Amino acid sequence: EAGVTQFPSHSVIEKGQTVTLRCDPISGHDNLYWYRRVMGKEIKFLLHFVKESKQDESGMPNNRFLAERTGGTYSTLKVQPAELEDSGVYFCASSQELNTEVRSPLHFGNGTRLTVT
Amino acid sequence: LAKTTQPISMDSYEGQEVNITCSHNNIATNDYITWYQQFPSQGPRFIIQGYKTKVTNEVASLFIPADRKSSTLSLPRVSLSDTAVYYCLVGGGNNAGNMLTFGGGTRLMVKP
Repeated sequence: EAGVTQFPSHSVIEKGQTVTLRCDPISGHDNLYWYRRVMGKEIKFLLHFVKESKQDESGMPNNRFLAERTGGTYSTLKVQPAELEDSGVYFCASSQELNTEVRSPLHFGNGTRLTVT
Repeated sequence: LAKTTQPISMDSYEGQEVNITCSHNNIATNDYITWYQQFPSQGPRFIIQGYKTKVTNEVASLFIPADRKSSTLSLPRVSLSDTAVYYCLVGGGNNAGNMLTFGGGTRLMVKP
């Protein structure tokens, strides 16, 4: 079974530019999450998709961030325009809810390291 | 979401058993306790999950007391490759999704 894959693994852009991160979850996983770690701080939740619907986007820092999951498969996270403080590692994770009694753990990708200069 | 507290770092030697305790005093009734392991330049990797009592799998055991206000991850006979950051998370108590909150984690250093 292929794991969660993220692309690119690294991205270096200048302030003001646009970057789009992609996440391919494990096939069949309805839940998709974006997290990020900035400047060596704790990993923070950004948002949660259930299939193509945004279930919770309370962690999105501002309107420069736009996440989509058209068709409920892969997801993209666009940062436009990028700012210096957006530098960090962006993780994607997916999970499959088996039933109401069992919690399926999150499967994380290896992240995209974003550097804004 | 329940806040967790765990040691910032721990040292151990190869072959020893390592126990990492996490406090989560505000855990909700339907929250699960999940532990993740993270190596540099990789995403967190699921280790074990439990709700109460004891859970054991091929890599670790998780001990949860009756009040569920803490939990202990036990790694038997660690090796150098177990050097990593270990995160204790609680959550996932509702059907809207298991959004989890990461704390600072415990940096485990296994020495030869």
